[in-house]
Amino acid sequence: QKEVEQDPGPLSVPEGAIVSLNCTYSNSAFQYFMWYRQYSRKGPELLMYTYSSGNKEDGRFTAQVDKSSKYISLFIRDSQPSDSATYLCAADTGRRALTFGSGTRLQVQP
Amino acid sequence: NAGVTQTPKFRILKIGQSMTLQCTQDMNHNYMYWYRQDPGMGLKLIYYSVGAGITDKGEVPNGYNVSRSTTEDFPLRLELAAPSQTSVYFCASSYRLTSGTSNTGELFFGEGSRLTVL
Repeated sequence: QKEVEQDPGPLSVPEGAIVSLNCTYSNSAFQYFMWYRQYSRKGPELLMYTYSSGNKEDGRFTAQVDKSSKYISLFIRDSQPSDSATYLCAADTGRRALTFGSGTRLQVQP
Repeated sequence: NAGVTQTPKFRILKIGQSMTLQCTQDMNHNYMYWYRQDPGMGLKLIYYSVGAGITDKGEVPNGYNVSRSTTEDFPLRLELAAPSQTSVYFCASSYRLTSGTSNTGELFFGEGSRLTVL
């Protein structure tokens, strides 16, 4: 079993839609949770960071972590064509290095 | 700022050849990493380093070697290239506390090196 599981998509939505991206994880030692965004042929860039359980909001983006169910979510409100990218969830125990999910490819249609 | 710089951006190798992917960062980060990304498979950790002179294996180290002689540089060596090493390779760096308590840091990635082994 992969430590971090993510639906690869692709996910196609119309402009303005609310997007929900999800991951599950198996390692109870994970404490730090991140979402990276990767545009085509580029390196990933940090989008959101959450420590332990809870919500974090930044503009149109909201990250949620539920440690009891080992569930990580990213919500994008009022999605834009510029949000079209691959979104990678990642988790860290704080002792070693990030473990990434496989990434979900998102396409926002104008 | 240049951030994390990887060279080459593209390379085609024949089976059995060797090569080194170069990575340098100018942010004075202590941690550096090498990941590989295969289509639909996410990023898999090959090796990482917590500082000059210290390296450790990641999830998929077989067929690779690394060294960290300076804070800035973290080259990845492929010996006896195989088709299974066809991938996009990303170098990254971060700053993490080394006090012993658990912590994390934002990873800064390079643009990637696309390697094909034929």
